[in-house]
Amino acid sequence: DGGITQSPKYLFRKEGQNVTLSCEQNLNHDAMYWYRQDPGQGLRLIYYSQIVNDFQKGDIAEGYSVSREKKESFPLTVTSAQKNPTAFYLCASSQASGRDNEQFFGPGTRLTVL
Amino acid sequence: RKEVEQDPGPFNVPEGATVAFNCTYSNSASQSFFWYRQDCRKEPKLLMSVYSSGNEDGRFTAQLNRASQYISLLIRDSKLSDSATYLCVVNPPGSARQLTFGSGTQLTVLP
Repeated sequence: DGGITQSPKYLFRKEGQNVTLSCEQNLNHDAMYWYRQDPGQGLRLIYYSQIVNDFQKGDIAEGYSVSREKKESFPLTVTSAQKNPTAFYLCASSQASGRDNEQFFGPGTRLTVL
Repeated sequence: RKEVEQDPGPFNVPEGATVAFNCTYSNSASQSFFWYRQDCRKEPKLLMSVYSSGNEDGRFTAQLNRASQYISLLIRDSKLSDSATYLCVVNPPGSARQLTFGSGTQLTVLP
C-alpha cells in the first residue's frame, strides 16, 4: 500500500532536548511538507521541500530544522530553540505537477514537552 | 485579516439534515480551492476539490464564488459518520504548491 508514515505516534520530550520526527512516503512524490497544528487552529507550514536536497522555510520555521537527502524521507528536528513545541505535527506530500495539488497526510506525531 | 476564514461552529444537526459551511479567502488571485475533512485526533483527508463551475460528489456539493471570494460546502442527508471538522483550503498565487488552511468548522451529527 502506498502512503505516508510518521513515527513515533506520541513523543514526550524534556525541555532543552532536541527531538527528530520521522516522515517517509512511498508515493513517489517530489514535494513534502511539515505542518504544525495547535488546538482550535488551522495547520501552519513549518518547512517544505519541492525536490531532493532543497527545502524552504514556511511561516513558522524558527526553532525547527529539516533535511531532504532522499526523495522518500523528510525528517523534522524540533530544537531546544522552539519555545512552545507541544503540538500535533503533520507531514504531507504531493506531486510536483498536476492539476489540483492534493496533499496527502501522514497520521501525525503528537509531541509533548514536559 | 486571516487569509482563510471559517466559522468554527460547532454545528450540531440531526441526522438527515442539510447543513452548509462557508469560507472566505483574502487573496482574490488564489488559484485552487479544496475542502478537507479531519476526524478527531487524525490527519486531514481531501474531501473534494472546488471548481469554478461548482461540483458535486454524492451528498456533498462545493461551490466557488470568485467575485465574493467565498467557498461553500453543502452536505445533504447528514449521517452520523459526517461528524468531523471540515477545513477550507486555498492555494494562494505565487506560493508554488503550498496550501493555506482555515482553522476548520466542527460538525456533529446527532442521532
